[in-house]
Amino acid sequence: EDKVVQSPLSLVVHEGDTVTLNCSYEVTNFRSLLWYKQEKKAPTFLFMLTSSGIEKKSGRLSSILDKKELFSILNITATQTGDSAVYLCAVEPAGGTSYGKLTFGQGTILTVHP
Amino acid sequence: DVKVTQSSRYLVKRTGEKVFLECVQDMDHENMFWYRQDPGLGLRLIYFSYDVKMKEKGDIPEGYSVSREKKERFSLILESASTNQTSMYLCASSLPWANVLTFGAGSRLTVL
Repeated sequence: EDKVVQSPLSLVVHEGDTVTLNCSYEVTNFRSLLWYKQEKKAPTFLFMLTSSGIEKKSGRLSSILDKKELFSILNITATQTGDSAVYLCAVEPAGGTSYGKLTFGQGTILTVHP
Repeated sequence: DVKVTQSSRYLVKRTGEKVFLECVQDMDHENMFWYRQDPGLGLRLIYFSYDVKMKEKGDIPEGYSVSREKKERFSLILESASTNQTSMYLCASSLPWANVLTFGAGSRLTVL
C-alpha cells in the first residue's frame, strides 16, 4: 500500500521567516511526486518532481526530491500572509491505469502571522 | 480559465438519505476523480473514471457509487448516507496520461 507522511502537521511563523515542509513516501514503482497548495477552496498545483536532485523553483517556493531516501521538501522563503494554506504532498505510482491516481499525505497547515 | 465545478458547496442530509454530488469540468478532460478529505487523513481516493461509462474503485469505495454518462460530468452517489460520510468531497479532472489534477472547490457534506 502506498503511503505519504508529511511533517510537521502544522506550523506557525511570522512574515519574513523561511519554512521547510517535509514529505516522505513509500510507493510501488514511483512515477512522480506532486505538491499542491490548498487555501479555503480548490487545491492548486505547485510542483511535479520526477528526478532526484533537480530543484524546481517558482518565485519564493522551491522543491527538491530525493528518490534514494524517499522524501521531498518544499521551501518557502520570505513568507507572506498569503502563503497561509494547507500544503499537500502526493505520489503517483507508475504502471497500468495509474495516471492521476494520487496518494496524498495528511497535509501541513501553515499559518503566517503579520 | 479552466474549471471544475461542484454544484453544491454545502449540504446537510439525514442518515439514510440518498445523496448526489455533481461535478462538471469544461476542459474536455478524459480523467475524473472523487476524493474525500478528512482532518489528519488527507485526501483519499473514492472512485475514478478514465472514460465515459467507465469507473474504477479507488482506496475507499465502500458506501459510494459513481456515474459518468457524459464526458464532462462525474457524479458521486451515496445510496444511504451515514454519519461517517460527513466530510469534504473534492472532484478533480486531468488529461489522459497526466498526473496534474485540476480540483473543484469541494462539497462539504454533513450527515446528521
